[in-house]
Amino acid sequence: GQQLNQSPQSMFIQEGEDVSMNCTSSSIFNTWLWYKQDPGEGPVLLIALYKAGELTSNGRLTAQFGITRKDSFLNISASIPSDVGIYFCAGPPGTYKYIFGTGTRLKVLA
Amino acid sequence: KAGVTQTPRYLIKTRGQQVTLSCSPISGHRSVSWYQQTPGQGLQFLFEYFSETQRNKGNFPGRFSGRQFSNSRSEMNVSTLELGDSALYLCASSLGGTGVLNEQYFGPGTRLTVT
Repeated sequence: GQQLNQSPQSMFIQEGEDVSMNCTSSSIFNTWLWYKQDPGEGPVLLIALYKAGELTSNGRLTAQFGITRKDSFLNISASIPSDVGIYFCAGPPGTYKYIFGTGTRLKVLA
Repeated sequence: KAGVTQTPRYLIKTRGQQVTLSCSPISGHRSVSWYQQTPGQGLQFLFEYFSETQRNKGNFPGRFSGRQFSNSRSEMNVSTLELGDSALYLCASSLGGTGVLNEQYFGPGTRLTVT
């Protein structure tokens, strides 16, 4: 099925470090959503972006809607152990449907 | 406000059987979407309902079906289960509306195992 490309696929970082990940699409999107999923749970919405160039923060998380409208970026500052999980981006290739990225698996070393 | 609830949380079925999963959206949300999540394929869109009407569907065989009730609760059904149907089935709700899907909020999922 259709998916978005996320990178990196996984990353190990030291506690306190900043993290960056991105998501790219072959199509133009008018919305980008970022989620975090813990094992055995449903994804939790972190940030929603609706406008090209938009920069939105949620605590230590900051996401940006790329100006080409084909990409988005998520940054986590000063990572902590509870940031461990899989981060997904999502965008709507058409009406009434979202497609999801392949995920970035984050592991934090204390 | 209560979140999205899904029942049951876990289910074990045998090949050839059918299964029905239930989803109750956040109060006031009228759009419900269903997704299948597997390690190999990731999160795949199944279908979306709004006001009891299916507005979009993904590339899944006809064995996968759904419906939405007047109170926005939704069910999905899988008939003639196959081993490959083993997955986490996720329901997501949003306010909905014409031409938009808005932010989606997920339930905890139903883990289906087919033996």
